[in-house]
Amino acid sequence: ETGVTQTPRHLVMGMTNKKSLKCEQHLGHNAMYWYKQSAKKPLELMFVYSLEERVENNSVPSRFSPECPNSSHLFLHLHTLQPEDSALYLCASSQNTMNTGELFFGEGSRLTVL
Amino acid sequence: AQSVTQPDIHITVSEGASLELRCNYSYGATPYLFWYVQSPGQGLQLLLKYFSGDTLVQGIKGFEAEFKRSQSSFNLRKPSVHWSDAAEYFCAVVNTGGFKTIFGAGTRLFVKA
Repeated sequence: ETGVTQTPRHLVMGMTNKKSLKCEQHLGHNAMYWYKQSAKKPLELMFVYSLEERVENNSVPSRFSPECPNSSHLFLHLHTLQPEDSALYLCASSQNTMNTGELFFGEGSRLTVL
Repeated sequence: AQSVTQPDIHITVSEGASLELRCNYSYGATPYLFWYVQSPGQGLQLLLKYFSGDTLVQGIKGFEAEFKRSQSSFNLRKPSVHWSDAAEYFCAVVNTGGFKTIFGAGTRLFVKA
């Protein structure tokens, strides 16, 4: 079992649906991240949370809504998405936001928007 | 602004041959540098990192990387590649303030028998 678990692993949704991605870390870390990975593009940082407080919102459209109820759980709520939002969404955690250490990634949620 | 360039989109090497993946960064101060590997269907895993000190750093799975400040490079090397090394490799740098890791576009490694 990995230290960072993401569900679901695969998700297909229409543009009018509402769905959520879930991430859970079992490492006792204080910081959690959402990244978007699209084909042939660098990983894009979407959101950063430190001790449940959002510290970075990287100009992400409002159709993506993060939620961090505690330091172990992170959600990404999705609504009225566009086909170009289809990508692999990766959750990561680190000891804290002074990122002199490593990021621990989940296996990702593959999202397809029809 | 900080940036990371991986000039090679993909590389093919024979099993047992040596490997070097290139990485160049743009950063005003001494950077924190990382190499991650992503196998198909998986998340990213840290191979090695450089913060300071010895410019040649050792990582997991037999990989090493050398920090060259004069060339703004942090190339990844392995003396003998195994078929299981086929994956995508990402170079990364941490920005000032420390919480934003900036990734290169990745280099996909193919290993032929």
